[in-house]
Amino acid sequence: AQTVTQSQPEMSVQEAETVTLSCTYDTSESDYYLFWYKQPPSRQMILVIRQEAYKQQNATENRFSVNFQKAAKSFSLKISDSQLGDAAMYFCAYRRLMDSSYKLIFGSGTRLLVRP
Amino acid sequence: GAGVSQSPSNKVTEKGKDVELRCDPISGHTALYWYRQSLGQGLEFLIYFQGNSAPDKSGLPSDRFSAERTGGSVSTLTIQRTQQEDSAVYLCASSLEGATGELFFGEGSRLTVL
Repeated sequence: AQTVTQSQPEMSVQEAETVTLSCTYDTSESDYYLFWYKQPPSRQMILVIRQEAYKQQNATENRFSVNFQKAAKSFSLKISDSQLGDAAMYFCAYRRLMDSSYKLIFGSGTRLLVRP
Repeated sequence: GAGVSQSPSNKVTEKGKDVELRCDPISGHTALYWYRQSLGQGLEFLIYFQGNSAPDKSGLPSDRFSAERTGGSVSTLTIQRTQQEDSAVYLCASSLEGATGELFFGEGSRLTVL
């Protein structure tokens, strides 16, 4: 079964600085999707960024970028120029393309604190 | 609607009672998911609907949990004879069909079983 591991329960960053959140996953498949979701105190999960495994180029969305290392099964999220509004729980997730439900499998999350 | 709507936002119940949680997905989204998030934990998949059918119920933890979806829209998650370990936030998400469909989440229903 696929698993997603986030080894950092909590991270802290100074406003305007850069922080990297780690994620590793376990799969025997070659095609899949990876995601980072943000969960603010409102509880609503918000998609931050998505990566298709067949794409070698790392995805970027404004201040958010990923470092996708397929062989190492690593998918880290880099947040540049951190802002107070970035403070939230961040979840890494995996989607198996051979799964008829396309459900997401989530890691346990990393709480990001942003210091003013 | 504009987004995924869930009700109630918060529910406190006594052990042994039945509860119903409701999810109103984004209009036109054929796929609907229920997840459970226990305190300090990640999201645990419960069930997936495609239209009104549920081809993947593999995450339901026991036969006390059931869900249905009607009219390809609203879904209800029912927990019978609630236990304290059922206390969690129950999140609903909807998406367009397919592997590339982004999941849009509601704000969840926080269930507390006393």
